[in-house]
This record gives sequence, structure tokens and C-alpha cells, in this order.
Amino acid sequence: RKEVEQDPGPFNVPEGATVAFNCTYSNSASQSFFWYRQDCRKEPKLLMSVYSSGNEDGRFTAQLNRASQYISLLIRDSKLSDSATYLCVVILPPGGYNKLIFGAGTRLAVHP
Amino acid sequence: EAGVTQFPSHSVIEKGQTVTLRCDPISGHDNLYWYRRVMGKEIKFLLHFVKESKQDESGMPNNRFLAERTGGTYSTLKVQPAELEDSGVYFCASSSDRGGFLDGNTEAFFGQGTRLTVV
Repeated sequence: RKEVEQDPGPFNVPEGATVAFNCTYSNSASQSFFWYRQDCRKEPKLLMSVYSSGNEDGRFTAQLNRASQYISLLIRDSKLSDSATYLCVVILPPGGYNKLIFGAGTRLAVHP
Repeated sequence: EAGVTQFPSHSVIEKGQTVTLRCDPISGHDNLYWYRRVMGKEIKFLLHFVKESKQDESGMPNNRFLAERTGGTYSTLKVQPAELEDSGVYFCASSSDRGGFLDGNTEAFFGQGTRLTVV
């Protein structure tokens, strides 16, 4: 079983739509959680960290549900520029605090 | 300020040949990481340096892979001899905080990657 599971998509949505992705992690000992964004043939870039209380950054909202072992990313008012692959990332302490564990990513395509 | 730079951006080599990838981290970043994405799979950790010391090389696939970071600045990843299954995108990343990513406030900055194709 993979440590981090994501629906690969693609999610095809029109501009202005609200879209949500979920990501599940298999190990309850997982601690820090992140969403990274990767544009086609580019490097991953940190989008936002996910805190226990949930957090918001502009049009983006991240939530953590430890009981069900999933994190979510909500994007409101989608823009064409939001088209990318969104990578769910966790830290699993027995593997070290410096090892990022990636999901395979969820692809988002925003169309006019 | 320059980001993480990797060279070459692309490399096509024949099975059995040797390839060396280079990574220049952000200046002042003690932590340097190598990751790899094989086609259709997730990005996977290979190893982690703090300055010139290997802290964790648990993700290195086998002894055909050798990473070095002499002097604690740039790093090289050598694959010798290359096999077909080594094809993929090799990412380097760096970060500044020795405490790792646990607090959620430390960011790993990635380079654009080296796309390696072994034919």
C-alpha cells in the first residue's frame, strides 16, 4: 500500500469553479503535511503547509483530518493559471524529519 | 538570488554508460536532497546531505548510484553503469533549516530537474 494516495485526475473545471482534492495517508504517525504544485515539466514548488486547525491562503484552503487520515485542498474561483499537478506531501518521522514523501499528484486543468 | 540549479537539463545515454548529474543548491543551504521521479510514479527520496555528510541515503536504489558533496557546496549524482530502469527525472532540492520539515515552516526548494533517458 502506498504511503500517500491521490486521485490522479484529471479534474477538468471551468474558470471560476471551486474544486477540491483529497489525499489519504496510510501511516497514522505521519506528521507534517504539505501541498506542492508542479507545472508541466517544471519543479515542484511549495503551495502551502497544512496545519491541524486548517489554514487558508487567498483562494486556497487546506484541511487536515487526522481521524480519517486525509488532507484536502480547496481552490475557489479557479483561474487558468491554476492548471497544474498538485502533490500531497507528508513527513513520517521514523523516516526522518528531512524526508518528504510524495503522492503521485492530482492533475487540474482549468478551461475558459 | 539564484535558485537551485541542475545540469544537464536533459541527458540521453546508452545502457551501460556512465552519467553524472550536478546540483548547485541555494547559497548557504546546508541541506541538499536528491529525489527521482520514474515515469508514472511518485517523486521518491534518494538521499540527504547536511553540508558534506550523508545523513540519509536510504532511498538510493543500489550501488550503481553514487552521490557526493565535496566541500559542502554542489553535489553530483553518478550512475554507473546506467540501466534502462534508471530513466526518469532527477530532482535536487535544498533547504536551510537543520531541524527538517517537521514544523511545517521550512520549505524545500527544488531545481528544475535532469531528465535522464537510458536507451
